Amino acid sequence: SFGLTQPPSVSVSPGQTARISCSAATLPNHYASWYQQKPGQAPLLIIYKDSQRPSGIPERFSGSSSGTTVTLTISGVQAEDEADYYCQSTDSNVTYRRWVFGGRTKLTVL
Amino acid sequence: EVQLVESGGGLVQPGGSLRLSCAASSLTFSASEMHWVRQAPGKGLEWVAYISSTGSSIHYADSVRGRFIISRDNAKNSLYLQMNSLRAEETAVYYCARGLERGWFDPWGQGTLVTVSS
Repeated sequence: SFGLTQPPSVSVSPGQTARISCSAATLPNHYASWYQQKPGQAPLLIIYKDSQRPSGIPERFSGSSSGTTVTLTISGVQAEDEADYYCQSTDSNVTYRRWVFGGRTKLTVL
Repeated sequence: EVQLVESGGGLVQPGGSLRLSCAASSLTFSASEMHWVRQAPGKGLEWVAYISSTGSSIHYADSVRGRFIISRDNAKNSLYLQMNSLRAEETAVYYCARGLERGWFDPWGQGTLVTVSS
């Protein structure tokens, strides 16, 4: 089995840049996605295929990939960005396929 | 755009069964892969089950295989999760979500709360 490792928390001041990492040995072979979840709400897709941004997601959200680590970058953080963030990827072989989420990173805007 | 609405959650005793439903509002449902994902109170997201657009391919998380059954009725634009032998630790909000290119999830429903307790 494999897991996606995220830091439990990240804190930044408004206007600064927040970076949230997600690591796993399988990431060079499988795309990662990122989700934002605010209290009492369903998760929202903000990045897919490592770096693609769905329509309607602000440009300050970006994603990148390097080796076994993918990174979500939030430039010019705003108070409304305070939320939980999850990375997600897949794992498969000839007999199974599964989807896995990272352990959650709580972004605090100071 | 597909919109998803879950229902069927509630209180069930340990060892009991419950059937969740997810109603999709778009005709593209029949061409969509679908998933169930759950979130225990105060915890992270856990993928539960996947079904292909035709229902011919199904995958389960190890934690639910043999007890949960995912199914769909494309004529009714509906997704289902039959949950048997429920455990207290499976108390969670259960979300349905569309799967895209067998990778990511978008959109998500608002979730339905399942409470397993005596």
